[in-house]
Amino acid sequence: QKEVEQDPGPLSVPEGAIVSLNCTYSNSAFQYFMWYRQYSRKGPELLMYTYSSGNKEDGRFTAQVDKSSKYISLFIRDSQPSDSATYLCAMSGAQKLVFGQGTRLTINP
Amino acid sequence: KAGVTQTPRYLIKTRGQQVTLSCSPISGHRSVSWYQQTPGQGLQFLFEYFSETQRNKGNFPGRFSGRQFSNSRSEMNVSTLELGDSALYLCASSTGTSGIQETQYFGPGTRLLVL
Repeated sequence: QKEVEQDPGPLSVPEGAIVSLNCTYSNSAFQYFMWYRQYSRKGPELLMYTYSSGNKEDGRFTAQVDKSSKYISLFIRDSQPSDSATYLCAMSGAQKLVFGQGTRLTINP
Repeated sequence: KAGVTQTPRYLIKTRGQQVTLSCSPISGHRSVSWYQQTPGQGLQFLFEYFSETQRNKGNFPGRFSGRQFSNSRSEMNVSTLELGDSALYLCASSTGTSGIQETQYFGPGTRLLVL
């Protein structure tokens, strides 16, 4: 069993929809939770960074962490075609950093 | 500030050969990490260098090695290439002061194809 599980998709939604991306994990030592966005032919770029449980909002993006369920989510409101990319969750703790496999998202105009 | 740069961007090699990839971190960053990204396995951590010393290591065979220079630039070497080594190799830098949980700034990657 992988330490971090992420549905690879692909996920295709119409423009303006709310998108929900999720990851589950098994390692209780993880304290830091991140979402990266990766466009085709580019390296991943950090989108959201949260510490421990709770919600964090940045514009159209909301990151949610539920440590009791070992479950994290990224919500994208009013999705745009420019949001089409692969989204990777990542988590770290105890000197370990593990990425999810990435979810490929397409926003259709 | 200039971002993380990687050279070359594309490489084609044959089985049994070796390859060296290069990474220049963001100015002031002292930690450089290397990752392998494949469609099947996703993004996997290879190793991290900080102040010219390997600080963390993933579960890859000894054919994968790296080093870091005094100016924080890093190289990764893969010897005796196998078909399964075909992947996108990503380098990421960070300040290195807070350990592996720091924000990683990624380069564009080197796409390696092994024939």
